[in-house]
Amino acid sequence: SQTIHQWPATLVQPVGSPLSLECTVEGTSNPNLYWYRQAAGRGLQLLFYSVGIGQISSEVPQNLSASRPQDRQFILSSKKLLLSDSGFYLCAWSGGYQETQYFGPGTRLLVL
Amino acid sequence: GQQLNQSPQSMFIQEGEDVSMNCTSSSIFNTWLWYKQDPGEGPVLLIALYKAGELTSNGRLTAQFGITRKDSFLNISASIPSDVGIYFCAGYQSGGTSYGKLTFGQGTILTVHP
Repeated sequence: SQTIHQWPATLVQPVGSPLSLECTVEGTSNPNLYWYRQAAGRGLQLLFYSVGIGQISSEVPQNLSASRPQDRQFILSSKKLLLSDSGFYLCAWSGGYQETQYFGPGTRLLVL
Repeated sequence: GQQLNQSPQSMFIQEGEDVSMNCTSSSIFNTWLWYKQDPGEGPVLLIALYKAGELTSNGRLTAQFGITRKDSFLNISASIPSDVGIYFCAGYQSGGTSYGKLTFGQGTILTVHP
């Protein structure tokens, strides 16, 4: 069966520091991968999605970037965090039925 | 961008009551999905609907894909305390620039009083 992992689970970072969040998927190959941000427990905002290694599409201009160095690995990064980057970050994957997405456990980021 | 109108925004019910929530859109969708999110966790897929008019059940949950393809509803029968959480609808349109992307509703916060 397929599983999706995210780490860390929680992160507290100072403003201006770099960020790296990691997402990995097991049990499937060539998944579509997605990064979402959720503020205040409501509304999922799509940040990035990837249909293959090295292929990244950005949905909104922002302080963040994404990379996909391996088939089942998706990384969310920032060079300098802003206070407004705080939130709950969710990674998701989809497979054969591309529209059905499965979410990871999330990373809660607090920027101070 | 497109939006899904999900209602109600929140519900406070007594244990044992039935719950109904829905999502509507001005656009046609090919797939409707319903997720539940517990506090501090990622959304979990409850039901997926792929065909207009489809009615699907998962235990006490029943969801329907509207015949116009512009709406969907979710019913929960005989609610229990563990039904507490946020319920999201999501729609998918195939083709074009929406490839692989879902449109989400804003969620319904469900509180169940024992």
